[in-house]
Amino acid sequence: GQNIDQPTEMTATEGAIVQINCTYQTSGFNGLFWYQQHAGEAPTFLSYNVLDGLEEKGRFSSFLSRSKGYSYLLLKELQMKDSASYLCAVREDDYKLSFGAGTTVTVRA
Amino acid sequence: GAVVSQHPSWVICKSGTSVKIECRSLDFQATTMFWYRQFPKQSLMLMATSNEGSKATYEQGVEKDKFLINHASLTLSTLTVTSAHPEDSSFYICSASPRDNYGYTFGSGTRLTVV
Repeated sequence: GQNIDQPTEMTATEGAIVQINCTYQTSGFNGLFWYQQHAGEAPTFLSYNVLDGLEEKGRFSSFLSRSKGYSYLLLKELQMKDSASYLCAVREDDYKLSFGAGTTVTVRA
Repeated sequence: GAVVSQHPSWVICKSGTSVKIECRSLDFQATTMFWYRQFPKQSLMLMATSNEGSKATYEQGVEKDKFLINHASLTLSTLTVTSAHPEDSSFYICSASPRDNYGYTFGSGTRLTVV
């Protein structure tokens, strides 16, 4: 099994930076994913980390520390359209994905 | 990019009836598909893993006789909610991975409402 924890809500101003933390406990780690989900829609893939370090992709970056069971998603230059739920998901050796409860990010003008 | 088509996008059914949800991988072969359920303001909960040509593997607490999964081909998996009840009302989503070591592609989801 696994425990995946992330904050419930975060609010930030347009143009700012927000960091969403995720901690996890798992028996067989095989990668960590971040997804964006707008209300009533399916999740869309943002990033994937399997090795320690930072992965940068445009305005979004994701960091992983396997020894600490910790990841964060960094959103820069926030835009109104970034208001959504952000899901941290851990893949185990059997290729199943387990999701955190999600962090609702609200971007204000 | 990889696309997973899911239908219907929403359905309303009467209590006691059955509903079938289809997921198709349009441009890749999916030997494995995953079925999730999501209640309002909650995260995705894995229900079962659908394997082409074999029986699905269900997560603990998920009734296999109620949620029938069929994976008849490398591009199609179906989830049938049998004898649906109002508590089965939820958002059902499938996903598949075109490659073992990459992100999973999700279907667009099916909003099921049982009245």
